[in-house]
Amino acid sequence: EVQLLESGGGRVQPGGSLRLSCAASGFTFSAYALTWVRQTPGKGLEWVSGITGVGDKTYYADSVKGRFTISRDNSRNTLYLQMNSLRAEDTALYYCVKFYGTSGYYTNFDFWGQGTLVIVSS
Amino acid sequence: DIQMTQSPSSLSASIGDRVTITCRASQGINTYLAWYQQRPGKAPKSLIYAASNLQGWVPSRFSASGSGTDFTLTITSLQPEDFATYYCQQYNSYPLTFGGGTKVEIK
Repeated sequence: EVQLLESGGGRVQPGGSLRLSCAASGFTFSAYALTWVRQTPGKGLEWVSGITGVGDKTYYADSVKGRFTISRDNSRNTLYLQMNSLRAEDTALYYCVKFYGTSGYYTNFDFWGQGTLVIVSS
Repeated sequence: DIQMTQSPSSLSASIGDRVTITCRASQGINTYLAWYQQRPGKAPKSLIYAASNLQGWVPSRFSASGSGTDFTLTITSLQPEDFATYYCQQYNSYPLTFGGGTKVEIK
């Protein structure tokens, strides 16, 4: 059974930093691309960042480029999202999501975690 | 960026009704389209990939079609567990983008 368990969310002041983690199990971790998707309370879904299975390519939404860094540790089956220079508009529930394929190109999402909440507020 | 537009944004339906949701892409995306279901307080769940292929856990009352820019999701004989918000998403190109969602409510 595929499981994706996010952690690391919390409340932080504007300009601060957080690191989200996603512990994965139930599949061959390095064989699949992974991504972060966020959802603002009461609103829709926004893709944030993605990374290939081997970690050699990363992708970012313009809204987070230069502030967020996605990475993965295939020896620990863990995905990360380092979030710096946080803004109020980054407040959202952040989901760790598995791609069906390895590259993150032309491939859909198949499994989602339950999310971790990030609140950016003074 | 490819914009995804869903309609309607919400609808009311009764148990047993047939429901159709549409999704339009601002440019052609071949069949690189997925549909997700999100029940209240839960994470989204994958329903459809490649525009018309059901995930293995999805009941056959769900169907989907389309290619290029116009896509539909249909639920025949709506069941209580189908009341949720449905999102389309394109994966033809980055940035990956979602539709605004369609909330299916009980009439």
